[in-house]
Amino acid sequence: GESVGLHLPTLSVQEGDNSIINCAYSNSASDYFIWYKQESGKGPQFIIDIRSNMDKRQGQRVTVLLNKTVKHLSLQIAATQPGDSAVYFCAEGGNAGNMLTFGGGTRLMVKP
Amino acid sequence: DAGVIQSPRHEVTEMGQEVTLRCKPISGHDYLFWYRQTMMRGLELLIYFNNNVPIDDSGMPEDRFSAKMPNASFSTLKIQPSEPRDSAVYFCASGKGSSNQPQHFGDGTRLSIL
Repeated sequence: GESVGLHLPTLSVQEGDNSIINCAYSNSASDYFIWYKQESGKGPQFIIDIRSNMDKRQGQRVTVLLNKTVKHLSLQIAATQPGDSAVYFCAEGGNAGNMLTFGGGTRLMVKP
Repeated sequence: DAGVIQSPRHEVTEMGQEVTLRCKPISGHDYLFWYRQTMMRGLELLIYFNNNVPIDDSGMPEDRFSAKMPNASFSTLKIQPSEPRDSAVYFCASGKGSSNQPQHFGDGTRLSIL
C-alpha cells in the first residue's frame, strides 16, 4: 500500500518523543498552508491548516508553524505514537481558487 | 458524515481498454479535484471543477484522459485507450468555498494497466 517513492525523506522517532516535520514552500504569494497525513492504502487526511496572517496554530497534539520570511512551514507532533506513522504532505494555496500545490512528502516512522 | 466516495477501489485491466473512475464528493462542496499519485511523480493535480464546470485541465496528461461532472454529486475520470504508464492511484477530492479551505480526499482507485 505504498503511496510515494522510496526516495522520500524519512524521519524516524521513538514513541513518546516529539516529531518535527519541515517543509519549504515555493510561492511567496501563497496565503494558505495545510498539512495532510497519508496512511498506507488511504487518501491524504487533513490534519491542520494555517493562514498567512498567523505564524502558529495548535490542534490536538499538533502545532503548525509558519515562517513567511524564509518560506518555511513545520508540523510538530507531541508525544508521537505508533499510529502517527504515515507520510506527511504540506500544501500551499490561496493563489488560484481552491487549488493546492503539494510538496513531495516526508515519511514518519515511529519506533516502539 | 460520508466523506468523498470513490469507486472502484481497485481496477486491473489490459492496455487498450477503457477505464472509468467514479467519484461522489461531499454534499455541499462546490469544488472537485482529480489527482494522480505515483512513486515517481508524487501527487499531481489533473483537473478541477467549480460548480460542475471544468476550471483548469492543464494537468490532464493527454487527450486519452477526460473528466466530466454532470451534476454536483458525481464525477467521472475516463481513460481511453489505457496504457501501462497510466498505472497509478487516482484520488478525488472535494472542497467548499473560493479559497483557504481544506480539500477532503477519497481513498482512491488503484489502477493497474497490464
